[in-house]
Amino acid sequence: QSALTQPRSVSGSPGQSVTLSCTGTSGDVGRYNYVSWYQQHPGKAPKLMMSDVSQRPSGVPDRFSGSKSGNTASLTISGLQAEDEADYYCCSYTGSYKLGVFGTGTTVTVL
Amino acid sequence: QVHLEQWGAGLLQPSETLSLTCAVYGGSFTAFFWSWIRQPPGKGLEWIGEINHNGATNYNPSLKSRLTISLDTSKNQFSLNLTSMTAADTAVYYCGRGLGGRSTVDYWGQGILVTVSS
Repeated sequence: QSALTQPRSVSGSPGQSVTLSCTGTSGDVGRYNYVSWYQQHPGKAPKLMMSDVSQRPSGVPDRFSGSKSGNTASLTISGLQAEDEADYYCCSYTGSYKLGVFGTGTTVTVL
Repeated sequence: QVHLEQWGAGLLQPSETLSLTCAVYGGSFTAFFWSWIRQPPGKGLEWIGEINHNGATNYNPSLKSRLTISLDTSKNQFSLNLTSMTAADTAVYYCGRGLGGRSTVDYWGQGILVTVSS
C-alpha cells in the first residue's frame, strides 16, 4: 500500500489561508469518507485535527476545515497563525488491509 | 480525560524482539481499537496494526510475519511485539486510541524512540 501524496511544503503569511492536498486512489481516499488529518510539532506526538473528511474534534479551532473531491482530500487553514507552523499528515482507511495509510506529510511554514 | 502512557526498551541489537506496552487511563477500554504507529527519524507515519477489545487484530501486511499485538483488559493495557528487529525498524513508536474502522486516532501516547544498533 503506497503512501498518500502530499505536497512537501506550503507557506503563507499570518491571516492568509492555505490549503493542503492529499491524493490517494479509488481504493482509499476515493472510496471511503474516512480521511483524517494530524498536526505534528517537532518532537511531539501527532494531534488529530480532522476526522471523517470534515469533522472537527472538540477543541480544534474552526479555522481548520476539511473536504474531499474524488481521490483528493484537502485541509484548509483559514486565518493562518504562528502556532499553525507544523507538519501535517493525512490518513485514509484502506479496505485492502483494514488499516489507515498515511500521507507523505506537508510542512506548513508561517512567513 | 483520556491518557495513554507507553514504555519499553529503547535500544535493541539486530535480531532482537521489540516489546512495548501502552496503558490506558480514563475512558472506555472496550469501545475502541488500540493502535500502534511508528515514525522513522525525519520521515512519515506508518500504521503498524491495531486490536479491539475482543482481541481481533488488523496488521500491516509488511510487518505481519513479525508482529503480535495483544491486550490485557484487566489492566487496560495493550502490547506490541515485533521480532527480528533491524536498523530499518528504528523509529519513534506511538500507541493510540483508534476509532474503529475509520483509521482515526484521537488520543496518542508520548512516543518511544526505539533504536536498533549493534
